[in-house]
Amino acid sequence: GAVVSQHPSWVICKSGTSVKIECRSLDFQATTMFWYRQFPKQSLMLMATSNEGSKATYEQGVEKDKFLINHASLTLSTLTVTSAHPEDSSFYICSARAGPAGLVTGELFFGEGSRLTVL
Amino acid sequence: QQPVQSPQAVILREGEDAVINCSSSKALYSVHWYRQKHGEAPVFLMILLKGGEQKGHEKISASFNEKKQQSSLYLTASQLSYSGTYFCGTSYNQGGKLIFGQGTELSVKP
Repeated sequence: GAVVSQHPSWVICKSGTSVKIECRSLDFQATTMFWYRQFPKQSLMLMATSNEGSKATYEQGVEKDKFLINHASLTLSTLTVTSAHPEDSSFYICSARAGPAGLVTGELFFGEGSRLTVL
Repeated sequence: QQPVQSPQAVILREGEDAVINCSSSKALYSVHWYRQKHGEAPVFLMILLKGGEQKGHEKISASFNEKKQQSSLYLTASQLSYSGTYFCGTSYNQGGKLIFGQGTELSVKP
C-alpha cells in the first residue's frame, strides 16, 4: 500500500518555541492532505485540509495563525506549531489522499504520527 | 457532524464475537473503519461506499446501511491482536473530509 512518512516521531520543546512537523507521501502524489490532532483517549480531531498549491482550510476553532500549514508540493505538507504552549501537547497525525482514484473512494493513508510535548 | 459509535467499550474473551456500530445524522457517502493501538497511528481496515454494500476481511467484516445512515463492524472469533480502539470515519460527499467517531475500545482477554 501507499506510504506516508511523518517526521519527527516525537519532539519535546520549550514553551514559546515553534515546531515543524513534516508529512511526506513516499510513493504517490497526494493532492490532498489532512492534519489531525489526538489527545489521550480521545478521537482524531480534524484540524485542517490542505491542497497542493493553495491555502489550507481550517476547521472551526483551529487557529490558523498558530497552526501554519504549507502544502508546497504533491508529496510534502508541513504543520508548524508556532509559539507552542503546554496545552498544544498532543499527538499530531497527517493523512494523505491520492488522486484521482482516491477522490472516488476517499481512501486515506496515515502517517505514523508525531507526539509533541511542550514543557 | 461527528458520527456516534456504540458501544464505547467492550471486553471479550478470545474467540467471542463483537459488533461495533457507527451512526450519522447526515446522509453518508462513505464509511471508513480503522483500528488504533495505544501510541500508534490508525491502521486502515476497510472502506464502504454508499450503496448498501458489505465487505469482509478475514474475520472482520462491515456493512453499510445507507437508509439508516449507519455502518456496523463485525469481529468474529476475536483474537488477542484485535484489541485496540476502533474508529469509524465518515464523509458526506465524494472527495470530502473524513470525520471520526469517538472510538470504541475493544479488549480481548485470553
